[in-house]
Amino acid sequence: AQSVTQPDIHITVSEGASLELRCNYSYGATPYLFWYVQSPGQGLQLLLKYFSGDTLVQGIKGFEAEFKRSQSSFNLRKPSVHWSDAAEYFCAVGTYSSASKIIFGSGTRLSIRP
Amino acid sequence: DTEVTQTPKHLVMGMTNKKSLKCEQHMGHRAMYWYKQKAKKPPELMFVYSYEKLSINESVPSRFSPECPNSSLLNLHLHALQPEDSALYLCASSQALTEYGYTFGSGTRLTVV
Repeated sequence: AQSVTQPDIHITVSEGASLELRCNYSYGATPYLFWYVQSPGQGLQLLLKYFSGDTLVQGIKGFEAEFKRSQSSFNLRKPSVHWSDAAEYFCAVGTYSSASKIIFGSGTRLSIRP
Repeated sequence: DTEVTQTPKHLVMGMTNKKSLKCEQHMGHRAMYWYKQKAKKPPELMFVYSYEKLSINESVPSRFSPECPNSSLLNLHLHALQPEDSALYLCASSQALTEYGYTFGSGTRLTVV
């Protein structure tokens, strides 16, 4: 069965600083990988996704992520964070089979220091 | 229309009540999902509908009853809930294949008293 791990529960960065959120997955085949963002009390918004091709994917709001098969990782990056980036970030892994579904990691809460 | 609309946004119900949550999308997506999210936790999959047929039930208690009347609508019928069922209930939809990711609604905040 697939699983995804986000080792950092909470990260605080200064506004304007760079950001990297870590994500490791476990799956026997090439997974479909996603990053979602959730503001308090809101639904989830898809930032970016990977399922084939270029291992560096660009998303919305200036985010990017790199798929590294050898490390089973899909880390999210942003060169310069804004106060509005404060939110909960979820990495997720999906599979396609007769019962396709997406499983979410435990999430990383991002706080921005003024 | 690129949205998933959930109603109501907030719901308070007693343990003997019957209520329903509604989810609607007009993106032509053929898969729809119910997730439950407790505070400070990730969303947990409850049900998956694919082409209007239930394809996954993640061992959800029978007090939660999903229904997919057509390809645009998804309901979650609630009966005899417990206080621990209080949570944010999220609906999502997608193209048939997982690789495209899901579009989520903003959720229904359910409180069981």
